[in-house]
Amino acid sequence: EVQLVETGGGLVQPGRSLKLSCAASGFTFSNFWMSWTRQAPGKGLEWVASITPSGGTTYYPDSVKGRFTISRDNAQSTLYLQMNSLRSEDTATYYCTRGAYYWGQGVVVTVSS
Amino acid sequence: DIQMTQSPASLSASLGETVTIECRASEDIYNGLAWYQQKPGKSPQLLIYNVNTLHTGVPSRFSGCGSVTQYSLKIKSLQSEDVASYFCQQYYDYPLTFGSGTKLEIK
Repeated sequence: EVQLVETGGGLVQPGRSLKLSCAASGFTFSNFWMSWTRQAPGKGLEWVASITPSGGTTYYPDSVKGRFTISRDNAQSTLYLQMNSLRSEDTATYYCTRGAYYWGQGVVVTVSS
Repeated sequence: DIQMTQSPASLSASLGETVTIECRASEDIYNGLAWYQQKPGKSPQLLIYNVNTLHTGVPSRFSGCGSVTQYSLKIKSLQSEDVASYFCQQYYDYPLTFGSGTKLEIK
């Protein structure tokens, strides 16, 4: 059974950093593209980042480009999202996803002073 | 960036009714379109991909159609468990973009 478990969320002050992790199991992690998608409270979905199976290529929307970094450790079957220079508008539930089919339960990030 | 305009924002219908949700892309997305269902407090669940292919386990009363820039999700014989928010997503090009969502309620 495919499982994606996100950790690392919490309350952080504007301008600070936070790193999310996603532990994957139930499939060969190194074979798949992985992504992060977020959802602000009461709002819609926003794609945040994607990474190729090798980790060699990454993609971001302009809203996070230069501030967020997606990475992966295929040996540990873990996906990461390093978030720097956080803003209040980054407050959201962050989901780790494998393609369109599999989503984690989400982790809450709150950016507030 | 490809904009996805989804309508209506909310929808109220009776049990057994048929409802349709629309999504319009700002340019041709070459059928790279998926629909998701999200129940309160839960992660989104894939319903349909490639415009009209039902994901495993999705009831056949859900269907999708469309092409070029116009796409729709139809739910026949509305059931109480269909109460949720529905989102379209284009995955033809980066940045991946979603519609703003449709909140479906039972009248």
